[in-house]
Amino acid sequence: QKEVEQDPGPLSVPEGAIVSLNCTYSNSAFQYFMWYRQYSRKGPELLMYTYSSGNKEDGRFTAQVDKSSKYISLFIRDSQPSDSATYLCAFLNQAGTALIFGKGTTLSVSS
Amino acid sequence: DGGITQSPKYLFRKEGQNVTLSCEQNLNHDAMYWYRQDPGQGLRLIYYSQIVNDFQKGDIAEGYSVSREKKESFPLTVTSAQKNPTAFYLCASSSWDREYGYTFGSGTRLTVV
Repeated sequence: QKEVEQDPGPLSVPEGAIVSLNCTYSNSAFQYFMWYRQYSRKGPELLMYTYSSGNKEDGRFTAQVDKSSKYISLFIRDSQPSDSATYLCAFLNQAGTALIFGKGTTLSVSS
Repeated sequence: DGGITQSPKYLFRKEGQNVTLSCEQNLNHDAMYWYRQDPGQGLRLIYYSQIVNDFQKGDIAEGYSVSREKKESFPLTVTSAQKNPTAFYLCASSSWDREYGYTFGSGTRLTVV
């Protein structure tokens, strides 16, 4: 079983839609969960981070963590064309030394 | 402005050649990292360093080497032993507690010609 699973998409939605992006992980020792956004040919930028189960909201973005199911989600409300990017989930490894990334989901929002 | 600078943005390497990718940060971060990104592969860890003069191999270190002589700098050398070096290389840094995750540079695209 892979340590992190993330559907690569691509995911295409119309402007204004609610987007749900998901990752599953296998290592119950993961304690620190993040979502990064990466525009084409750029470095990733941190969107959300959390280290507890439950929801965390920041503007149009909500990060959700379910440790019992080893499942994390990122919801984007009122999606905009500027949200078109690749979204990567990330987890701090068990040793606490580096991040492990999912393969990324490519999102396209059309106007 | 604080940030991470990677150079060059594009790099071409001939077969059998070693090349060095530069990464400099002025965020006063202790830890620095090198990742490789291939289409459909996500980010894979090459090397990381948590303090000056110390570094550790990541998941795909073969064919690469690094140094950490200064806190601000973490250059990556892609050696001729790396058989498939064409990729997008990303450098990142973080504070010791990683409270705010990683800050990434804008990347170097390396192509073998």
